[in-house]
Amino acid sequence: AQKVTQAQTEISVVEKEDVTLDCVYETRDTTYYLFWYKQPPSGELVFLIRRNSFDEQNEISGRYSWNFQKSTSSFNFTITASQVVDSAVYFCALGMDSSYKLIFGSGTRLLVRP
Amino acid sequence: GAVVSQHPSRVICKSGTSVKIECRSLDFQATTMFWYRQFPKQSLMLMATSNEGSKATYEQGVEKDKFLINHASLTLSTLTVTSAHPEDSSFYICSARWGSGTQPQHFGDGTRLSIL
Repeated sequence: AQKVTQAQTEISVVEKEDVTLDCVYETRDTTYYLFWYKQPPSGELVFLIRRNSFDEQNEISGRYSWNFQKSTSSFNFTITASQVVDSAVYFCALGMDSSYKLIFGSGTRLLVRP
Repeated sequence: GAVVSQHPSRVICKSGTSVKIECRSLDFQATTMFWYRQFPKQSLMLMATSNEGSKATYEQGVEKDKFLINHASLTLSTLTVTSAHPEDSSFYICSARWGSGTQPQHFGDGTRLSIL
């Protein structure tokens, strides 16, 4: 069975702090894709990153970085020097090539206080 | 980047009304479109997957006759909530993608449905 677990329900940090959002996934597929999406209070889902199962390179995009470790089935997301505008719900998702479906984690609500 | 337009953004209507929500891919041809439902402070739950020109595939527990999905073209899918009741009130989000599993889903802005 496929499953995505985001154990942190809510995180509150003060602006400029670094914060890491955890994501643990389960799948028996050898080919799969991992995603992070941001959902601000307005509701739309903003695509942040896609990573396929064969690419374990970590990625950095500005203040965002992602750490993919197949050994622990984790795909964690770190925001460096957080800003108030980072406040949102962040979803980690797992996609299988065979079905095209996305399985979402329960989301982590991030509050960045000024 | 890929743009998906969802309309309307908000609907408030009386119980028993049928509501149609449109999802359009504006700058690409969507081979597959998805419909999700999100209750307050919860995750997105996939309702159905639709491919252009074929019947939608519904997830377990989703009533086909209640949530009618039409994917008539490569740029448009519609979700009709028939005879809506207060328990159908939710945030409905569509997404669209093209090609194979390497392509991400691009999401619409969602429709907040409130049934009185």
